[in-house]
Amino acid sequence: GAGVSQTPSNKVTEKGKYVELRCDPISGHTALYWYRQSLGQGPEFLIYFQGTGAADDSGLPNDRFFAVRPEGSVSTLKIQRTERGDSAVYLCASSLTWTGSTDTQYFGPGTRLTVL
Amino acid sequence: EDKVVQSPLSLVVHEGDTVTLNCNYEVTNFRSLLWYKQEKKAPTFLFMLTSSGIEKKSGRLSSILDKKELFSILNITATQTGDSAIYLCAVEAPSSIQGAQKLVFGQGTRLTINP
Repeated sequence: GAGVSQTPSNKVTEKGKYVELRCDPISGHTALYWYRQSLGQGPEFLIYFQGTGAADDSGLPNDRFFAVRPEGSVSTLKIQRTERGDSAVYLCASSLTWTGSTDTQYFGPGTRLTVL
Repeated sequence: EDKVVQSPLSLVVHEGDTVTLNCNYEVTNFRSLLWYKQEKKAPTFLFMLTSSGIEKKSGRLSSILDKKELFSILNITATQTGDSAIYLCAVEAPSSIQGAQKLVFGQGTRLTINP
C-alpha cells in the first residue's frame, strides 16, 4: 500500500515568511509524528498526534512552530516568521497505534526547507 | 536528558568487508531500540529490538541488544555498494503521557562501500 507522503519535497522561502508543510500518513495509522533533521544530525522529535489531538508537543522549539491534524489523518506543520536556523529536512512518520505497545514508525521522504 | 550516541560517525570500507556499527544509549524509560537506513531522505525501518541477547537477522544484516550495558550493534556482512547509506539508531522513549512513543535518534553512521 501507499506509504507516508509529504509535500512539497522542497521549499525555499525568505526569512520572515510563513510556510506550511503537509503530511499524509499511511491509511489507518492513528499516530503521527513530526521530526526535524539538520545537516549531519539525526532526526529530532517535534510533536506527536494521537488522532486529532497533539498529545506531546514538547519538541517544538518555540511558538513560531505549530501543527494541526483536524480530521485525524493529514497533518500540517506551520512555521511563522521563518529564520535561517529553521532550514532542515522536516520528516513525518506514522504508526498504527498509540496504545503504549511498541509500534514501528514509518517515515515519509521529508520536506527540505531552505530559508534564505 | 535522554541520549543516543552512535559510533563511528563515518566508515569507509571495500565491497565484501564486514562492518559493525555501534549504538549506546541513556534514556529514562526504555521501551525499544530501532535501526533505520537512510539513503536519501526517508529513513527506512530495519530492526526493532526489545529484549537483550536475541539476535534479529535479515539477510546480511543482523542486530543485537544489550540492556544491561545499554548498547546495540548492527552488523553487515559481505557489504555491497548498495549498503552505502546513513544508519540511524533510535530509542523509543515514552513521554510522560501514556502511549506517546517519541524516538530519540543518534547522529547516525555514514557508511560508504567502495567497489
